[in-house]
Amino acid sequence: DIQMTQSPSTLPASVGDRVTITCRASQSISNWLAWYQQKPGKAPNLLIYQASSLESGVPSRFSGSGSGTEFTLTIRSLQPDDFATYYCQQYHSALYSFGQGTKLEIK
Amino acid sequence: ELQLVESGGGLVQPGGSLRLSCVASGFTISSNYMSWVRQAPGKGLEWVSVMYSGETTYYADSVKGRFTISRDNSKNTLYLQMNSLRAEDTAIYYCATSPNYDIFTGYHHLFAYWGQGTLVTVSS
Repeated sequence: DIQMTQSPSTLPASVGDRVTITCRASQSISNWLAWYQQKPGKAPNLLIYQASSLESGVPSRFSGSGSGTEFTLTIRSLQPDDFATYYCQQYHSALYSFGQGTKLEIK
Repeated sequence: ELQLVESGGGLVQPGGSLRLSCVASGFTISSNYMSWVRQAPGKGLEWVSVMYSGETTYYADSVKGRFTISRDNSKNTLYLQMNSLRAEDTAIYYCATSPNYDIFTGYHHLFAYWGQGTLVTVSS
């Protein structure tokens, strides 16, 4: 099975900051990687797929990059609505898997 | 409008069984990849199972042999039969899908639409 590891687990930041979250796969997954945002009490929301493609309706301040085993999610100019938990998900394997999550919190 | 509505959660004793349902509207589940994803209280997301449009199924190692995914096309409903339940199966269970088959992006493997979730609690 493919293990996904995110870092950091918690990321303190301020409105206006540029932040980066990293996701590493235990083996190469090419670019079969997605990112989700989840707010408390809500279902997750798809942000990015195929490592760098922005889902329709998602603000352009979100971007993704990477291939193989290392990927990043970058949020440029943090907005108050962005404080949430972020998850990566690989879909290279038929057995999908998520990272453990990164909680973006207000500094 | 595409919608997913789960039901069937509740309190069950260890070793017991439960069947979850996910009623879909706005699209046809038999033409799409449908998954169950769970989230234990205060924890992260865990993919549980998927059923492809051609009825191929896959399961996470943690539930393989205990859970069975199925669907009723006439009711446009996805199911998750859960047997031999354990305390660690306690979670909110979501059904999720992305009803846009795209072999180039793999979009159909993703979770663009989610239900509201149903809570399963395994406890004596």
